[in-house]
Amino acid sequence: AQKVTQAQTEISVVEKEDVTLDCVYETRDTTYYLFWYKQPPSGELVFLIRRNSFDEQNEISGRYSWNFQKSTSSFNFTITASQVVDSAVYFCALSESSGTYKYIFGTGTRLKVLA
Amino acid sequence: GAGVSQSPRYKVTKRGQDVALRCDPISGHVSLYWYRQALGQGPEFLTYFNYEAQQDKSGLPNDRFSAERPEGSISTLTIQRTEQRDSAMYRCASSLEHPGTGVKTQYFGPGTRLLVL
Repeated sequence: AQKVTQAQTEISVVEKEDVTLDCVYETRDTTYYLFWYKQPPSGELVFLIRRNSFDEQNEISGRYSWNFQKSTSSFNFTITASQVVDSAVYFCALSESSGTYKYIFGTGTRLKVLA
Repeated sequence: GAGVSQSPRYKVTKRGQDVALRCDPISGHVSLYWYRQALGQGPEFLTYFNYEAQQDKSGLPNDRFSAERPEGSISTLTIQRTEQRDSAMYRCASSLEHPGTGVKTQYFGPGTRLLVL
């Protein structure tokens, strides 16, 4: 069965601190895709990154970085030098490629960045 | 370009009424998905279309829920005889290509927040 766990319900940090959001997934497929989405207070769901199971290379985009480790079934998201605008709910999602194209989302982590 | 649009953005209805939620996908996107997001939870899959064909409706909670996409573009999610437990954010997403060629990134609309009194 496929499952995504985001154990951190809410995290609060002070501006300029680094913060890591954890995501652990379960799947029996060897080919799958992982995603992160941001849901700011305005409510929309914004795509951040997509990763397939064959690409374990870590990725950096500005202050954002992602660490994908198949050995621990984790796909963690780090924000460096956090800013107030980073305050949002962040969702990790999993999609298997064996005919099940739907996304399975975690319950989300609410990040509060305090000025 | 324009993203996924949904209407109405907010809908308040009385228990027992029918509601229709509309989704207009990104131009050229052939795949369309509906999700429901309860407060404090992640989105949960409801149903999926490829062009006009409904390929998977396994996530629809019961037969009061139905969806259509008659011309392969705009889609409507209909909830009949609404109940208070139907209150949630209903999100639509679209993706560029047929998922048979590999999972594609889904782009989400702003959602319709439904409140059933």
